[in-house]
Amino acid sequence: DSGVTQTPKHLITATGQRVTLRCSPRSGDLSVYWYQQSLDQGLQFLIQYYNGEERAKGNILERFSAQQFPDLHSELNLSSLELGDSALYFCASSFRDRVDGEQFFGPGTRLTVL
Amino acid sequence: KNQVEQSPQSLIILEGKNCTLQCNYTVSPFSNLRWYKQDTGRGPVSLTIMTFSENTKSNGRYTATLDADTKQSSLHITASQLSDSASYICVVKTSGTYKYIFGTGTRLKVLA
Repeated sequence: DSGVTQTPKHLITATGQRVTLRCSPRSGDLSVYWYQQSLDQGLQFLIQYYNGEERAKGNILERFSAQQFPDLHSELNLSSLELGDSALYFCASSFRDRVDGEQFFGPGTRLTVL
Repeated sequence: KNQVEQSPQSLIILEGKNCTLQCNYTVSPFSNLRWYKQDTGRGPVSLTIMTFSENTKSNGRYTATLDADTKQSSLHITASQLSDSASYICVVKTSGTYKYIFGTGTRLKVLA
């Protein structure tokens, strides 16, 4: 158990809908990262927040957005969902934004778009 | 283009044997390289993190090497165990955009 929690575990929804994935980092961790893992593209970095502020952006679509709240939990919002958005979404956390900082991954949220 | 390529795609070995997984990257500018182990359906778990100046790093039976000149890394697993069956993912961190570049992984299966 990494100490990172994600909810829900599974989510099934329809195309065009909007969903929110939630992540609680390990106690004391200030950085939160979001990743998408699909069968055909592997793991992809989406976005990073550090202490409430956006720190880095990866392959995140404009239909997706995220935020980190004052209590350091984070939410990833996915809108206008398409079939191709079906994937495992992982959240990870680390204490700081160090170059060599270790990230601890949560168990993931499996999103299925029908 | 920033890319991370891993080989082989999959590997089957017998319990107790050693194996080596390869990672070649074209990511620039380079910040660090990480190896993760991912069991099916679970989040990745960090094995090693190597910066530019580090050549070798060990974590138990896992030893990672890095050659920053040739942009190659390897992960050596010694005396494999059934629990080593998983996907092993190489990730390069860059200080440019698209901060983390992931390889597609090597799927390792250890047989009794």
